[in-house]
Amino acid sequence: GAVVSQHPSWVICKSGTSVKIECRSLDFQATTMFWYRQFPKQSLMLMATSNEGSKATYEQGVEKDKFLINHASLTLSTLTVTSAHPEDSSFYICSARAPGTGVGDTQYFGPGTRLTVL
Amino acid sequence: AQSVTQPDIHITVSEGASLELRCNYSYGATPYLFWYVQSPGQGLQLLLKYFSGDTLVQGIKGFEAEFKRSQSSFNLRKPSVHWSDAAEYFCAVGANQAGTALIFGKGTTLSVSS
Repeated sequence: GAVVSQHPSWVICKSGTSVKIECRSLDFQATTMFWYRQFPKQSLMLMATSNEGSKATYEQGVEKDKFLINHASLTLSTLTVTSAHPEDSSFYICSARAPGTGVGDTQYFGPGTRLTVL
Repeated sequence: AQSVTQPDIHITVSEGASLELRCNYSYGATPYLFWYVQSPGQGLQLLLKYFSGDTLVQGIKGFEAEFKRSQSSFNLRKPSVHWSDAAEYFCAVGANQAGTALIFGKGTTLSVSS
């Protein structure tokens, strides 16, 4: 089956620094990738939709200048948390949709990245 | 507004017993429904999905789900639970346009007792 990887799997950083998280589709090309945020014991909340070669579409309430998303190729999307603060600590999950699989097609999820900001 | 409700936060089932996880959705159009399982350190894995047709959907690992439009429900079932089924289960609904994201419920934690 389709595999999506994320790197790093966990990261600890100091407040004020920036952190980049990578999301890769390993065996398929993903025209669309999604970034979710998950708080403990909570659901996944969509942050943004990323289409290859175009600007990401952010959900209401998500700061685009703080959460920079780049989808430079069909297999890689990155999320950069700029000037991270403790409240940004969370579990970030990406998913990828393979093109041509039709309406309501399956999204393949990465294993997630645990970000802790001190 | 679109939403997904999973009424049970935590369920404990004895190994070998049957399981039913509840999911209710609110969606204006024909929903596309999914069940995912999340194990620690693992990505979300798709168990099954429903788009149309037979309202009883078979999935992987012996799971099935039944779509009931009149009740706006998509409950997940398994006749005999194994200890390895202990995990977090998420119900999700998707729009009918390709490329749209999913709306997830808050999840149900399944514990399996021996």
